[in-house]
Amino acid sequence: DIVMTQSPDSLAVSLGERATINCKSSQSVLYTSNNKNFLAWYQHKPGQPPKLLISWASTRQSGVPDRFSGSGSGTDFTLTISSLQADDVAVYYCQQYYTTPSFGQGTKLEIK
Amino acid sequence: QVQLQESGPGQVKPSETLSLTCAVSGVSISSYSWSWIRQPPWKGLEWIGYISDSGSAKFNPSLNSRVTISADTSKNHLSLRLTSVTAADTAVYYCARYSGGPNQPFDYWGQGTPVTVSS
Repeated sequence: DIVMTQSPDSLAVSLGERATINCKSSQSVLYTSNNKNFLAWYQHKPGQPPKLLISWASTRQSGVPDRFSGSGSGTDFTLTISSLQADDVAVYYCQQYYTTPSFGQGTKLEIK
Repeated sequence: QVQLQESGPGQVKPSETLSLTCAVSGVSISSYSWSWIRQPPWKGLEWIGYISDSGSAKFNPSLNSRVTISADTSKNHLSLRLTSVTAADTAVYYCARYSGGPNQPFDYWGQGTPVTVSS
């Protein structure tokens, strides 16, 4: 099984500032035959279902603001929110779908 | 518009069987693969298993012997059965759609249904 580890567990950022969340997988999730990373990011707000933000490590879903971006390859990935808005307060999860799915433990993002 | 809605008993006694349903609208369940995912209190997300568009299923090895996932195409809904439940099975249970096949992210989720295992 692939273990996903996020850092930090929680993060407080001022409005308008950059937020960075890291995700590390215990083995590579890069499928070399098509050069795609099988890695997604979700936003989860209380009382709502998780929302898919980014797939294939860096592809933003339709309707997701461009302040959200994903980067990384292999085993190390980053979700960046370039300018934090109040509506971005949530728990963020990374997930690998290279093998049977597994999620990181979550990073709670708050306003400083 | 794709919508998923889980439903279930809310509370189940230890050692009994948990049964949940996920009603899907806006798409035929036979056109996609689907998963059940749960979140215990104060913990992260745990994948339970999936059923493919062809009806094959695969489960989390930690739950394998206790889990059944099925699809009723006439009702366009999915079902989850988890036998011999314990307090560790207390969680919010979600159904979710794979955006493509099983090696794809989950693009639609239900609101989730809470289940408490307690006598």
